[in-house]
Amino acid sequence: EPEVTQTPSHQVTQMGQEVILRCVPISNHLYFYWYRQILGQKVEFLVSFYNNEISEKSEIFDDQFSVERPDGSNFTLKIRSTKLEDSAMYFCASSDTTGGEQYFGPGTRLTVT
Amino acid sequence: LAKITQPISMDSYEGQEVNITCSHNNIATNDYITWYQQFPSQGPRFIIQGYKTKVTNEVASLFIPADRKSSTLSLPRVSLSDTAVYYCLVGDENDYKLSFGAGTTVTVRA
Repeated sequence: EPEVTQTPSHQVTQMGQEVILRCVPISNHLYFYWYRQILGQKVEFLVSFYNNEISEKSEIFDDQFSVERPDGSNFTLKIRSTKLEDSAMYFCASSDTTGGEQYFGPGTRLTVT
Repeated sequence: LAKITQPISMDSYEGQEVNITCSHNNIATNDYITWYQQFPSQGPRFIIQGYKTKVTNEVASLFIPADRKSSTLSLPRVSLSDTAVYYCLVGDENDYKLSFGAGTTVTVRA
C-alpha cells in the first residue's frame, strides 16, 4: 500500500535556527498538507498546497513558515527562525481529491531548545 | 463551521462493540461526516466517510440518521490494538483542510 513518508523522524534544533521538514507524498496525489500537533493537544491544520501554490493556510502559518515542492516527489515545510513554541509533531498528508481521505505520514517530532 | 461534540473518553473490553456518537447540530447540506483514528505518536488514519444512512467498510460502520445532526461510529468486536483517539470531522467536498477536535479516547481492556 502506498504511503506518505517523512524525514527526519526527530529533529532537535536551537531557537532561532532554520529547519526544513521533508515529506514524500503518495505519487499520484495532487493535494498536499502540513499539520502540527503540540504534545497533548489536537491536530492543527497549517497549510494546503495544490498546483504549485498554497490553496489555504491557517493563522499559525505566518511569515516564518513556507512550503515548497522542489521536485516531482518532495514537499517541504521550512520554519525560518524556530521558536520554543514550534516544538510539536509535524504531519504531512496528501490526497487525490479535496474533501475526502487524506493520507498522513508518520510525522517529524521537532524539538526546539 | 459545524460545531462537533463527542465524548472525551470511552472504555471497553476486547470483543465488545464500541459505538461513538458525534453531535453536529448545524451540519450544512453539503457536509460529509468523516472519522479518523490516531494512535500515539502516529499520524491520523482515515476510517470511514458518509453523507447519510449507513456506510460500512472492513473496519467500521457509520450510522447517520435522516436529520444528519448526529452520527455514530461503530467498531465491531474491538481488540486491544483499537485503543486510540477517534475523531469525528465534518466538512464539504471542497474543503482543503481537516479540522480536528479533541476526539474520543477509546481504551480497550483485556
